[in-house]
Amino acid sequence: AQSVTQPDIHITVSEGASLELRCNYSYGATPYLFWYVQSPGQGLQLLLKYFSGDTLVQGIKGFEAEFKRSQSSFNLRKPSVHWSDAAEYFCAVGAAPGGSYIPTFGRGTSLIVHP
Amino acid sequence: DADVTQTPRNRITKTGKRIMLECSQTKGHDRMYWYRQDPGLGLRLIYYSFDVKDINKGEISDGYSVSRQAQAKFSLSLESAIPNQTALYFCATSDGDSIGNTIYFGEGSWLTVV
Repeated sequence: AQSVTQPDIHITVSEGASLELRCNYSYGATPYLFWYVQSPGQGLQLLLKYFSGDTLVQGIKGFEAEFKRSQSSFNLRKPSVHWSDAAEYFCAVGAAPGGSYIPTFGRGTSLIVHP
Repeated sequence: DADVTQTPRNRITKTGKRIMLECSQTKGHDRMYWYRQDPGLGLRLIYYSFDVKDINKGEISDGYSVSRQAQAKFSLSLESAIPNQTALYFCATSDGDSIGNTIYFGEGSWLTVV
């Protein structure tokens, strides 16, 4: 069965600092990988996704993520964090048993941004 | 207007009462989902539907039921609500033909069972 681990429950960074949120997945084949963001009081919005090809994926709002098969990781990065990036971030892995492609979500990482 | 609309956005109900959460979408997607979010547990899948005639249980379906009234409508019911069903509920949709099946979420429905 597929699974996702986000080892950090909370991350605190200063505005302008760089950010890396960790995500490790478990899946037997090449996974489909996603990062979603949930702003306070909002639903989840897709930041970026990886299916195949270039392992460095660019997303919205200046985010990027790198797929590393050898480490089973898909970490999210941003070079300079803005106060508006404070939110909950979810990593998800999608598999295709029988073509279902239903993603499994991690428990989330809460990002706190200090001024 | 939102592509995925949930009603109500907030509801307080008493233990033992029946409550229905409704979801409608304008994205034209065949696939619809109900997730539950609890602090520290992330999102857990309750039910999903790949088309009007297809309903499937997810990870945590006990205590819940669903109805797919039309391609655009998917409702979640709690037949006899209990306090541990207090949570944030999300409806979501996806286009099954797209590789990777990107999921689009509604804004959520806060349910409190007292």
